[in-house]
Amino acid sequence: QKEVEQNSGPLSVPEGAIASLNCTYSDRGSQSFFWYRQYSGKSPELIMFIYSNGDKEDGRFTAQLNKASQYVSLLIRDSQPSDSATYLCAVLTGGFKTIFGAGTRLFVKA
Amino acid sequence: KAGVTQTPRYLIKTRGQQVTLSCSPISGHRSVSWYQQTPGQGLQFLFEYFSETQRNKGNFPGRFSGRQFSNSRSEMNVSTLELGDSALYLCASSLGSWEGDHTDTQYFGPGTRLTVL
Repeated sequence: QKEVEQNSGPLSVPEGAIASLNCTYSDRGSQSFFWYRQYSGKSPELIMFIYSNGDKEDGRFTAQLNKASQYVSLLIRDSQPSDSATYLCAVLTGGFKTIFGAGTRLFVKA
Repeated sequence: KAGVTQTPRYLIKTRGQQVTLSCSPISGHRSVSWYQQTPGQGLQFLFEYFSETQRNKGNFPGRFSGRQFSNSRSEMNVSTLELGDSALYLCASSLGSWEGDHTDTQYFGPGTRLTVL
């Protein structure tokens, strides 16, 4: 079992729809969870982080964390073509080690 | 505030050679992590340095090594290059203050694209 799992996609949504990206992790001791966006040929850029159970909203983005289910998700409301990218879920485990999922490719169709 | 910088941006080497990549973190950041990114394997953790000490290491062979200087700049070295080492090498910096700091967030540099022929 991989430490951080994501559906590789591609996930295709129409412009204006909600895109839902999911991530599961195996280390129950993990405390912090991050979502990064990576455009083709570019380095990952941070979207947001979450460490408490529940929802955290930042503009069109909402991160959701359920530690009991070891599940974290990212919702993108009013999706735009410019949101088309690979979304990486990252988990900060003990020992200063951040583990990344393989990423989900998102396509937003105009 | 300037972001994370990496040099060189592109590198072409042949099998058997060695290579050194450099990373300058965001000012004030003391933690530097290195990752290898390939299409098939995604982002793989190499190692993390804080205050010139390696605090954690991923599952890479000993050919991959790194170090951090007193000004927090970091270098990674790959010796005896193999074709499979062709990848994008990313470094990320963070404050890295203490374990349990839930908000310690990594910021990535642009990466070094290494091609091994």
